[in-house]
Amino acid sequence: ILNVEQSPQSLHVQEGDSTNFTCSFPSSNFYALHWYRWETAKSPEALFVMTLNGDEKKKGRISATLNTKEGYSYLYIKGSQPEDSATYLCAPDRVDNYGQNFVFGPGTRLSVLP
Amino acid sequence: DGGITQSPKYLFRKEGQNVTLSCEQNLNHDAMYWYRQDPGQGLRLIYYSQIVNDFQKGDIAEGYSVSREKKESFPLTVTSAQKNPTAFYLCASSATGGIGNNQPQHFGDGTRLSIL
Repeated sequence: ILNVEQSPQSLHVQEGDSTNFTCSFPSSNFYALHWYRWETAKSPEALFVMTLNGDEKKKGRISATLNTKEGYSYLYIKGSQPEDSATYLCAPDRVDNYGQNFVFGPGTRLSVLP
Repeated sequence: DGGITQSPKYLFRKEGQNVTLSCEQNLNHDAMYWYRQDPGQGLRLIYYSQIVNDFQKGDIAEGYSVSREKKESFPLTVTSAQKNPTAFYLCASSATGGIGNNQPQHFGDGTRLSIL
């Protein structure tokens, strides 16, 4: 089974702080990296799909970078707000010896304190 | 509005019974997926379908079955062979599926299944 790691598992920040977290995945046979935000009592919502090494995507105060050679992606949130509180999931799209192509990481749970 | 509908929201099952979770999408998406989430864990893929009349096992398919007779529907049956069925189940779809899929997945609101 594909090993996708996210760190930290959870974090608490104060409103206005900037923060970032990491998604790590095997770099071989890589096609794309997806980021999702999952707020409590809602369904996961797609944030970014990234494909190229060095790619950077931005959506409002949230941005993400991708390093396909070393197998990691960073998600940054600038000036965190309480509404950013959610679990952030990454999912690399790739193939391993078992033919799997899409596996979610365990997520980083962010709590923004007012 | 286009979206994914899962029903019911809560479902209770007696031990030894099969139960079917519904997932319908009107997004005209080719690919559909079923995930399971357990407390403190991430989403794990049960089954996925890239096209009508075709589906593949995910990481934890044992004790589950699916069908994809129509593009818009991908029901999941939790059979009595699934020894620990209590979990939160999410259905998703994407415009296309398969290797090199750059399409984001759209999710339903989920079904919470509990054993009585």
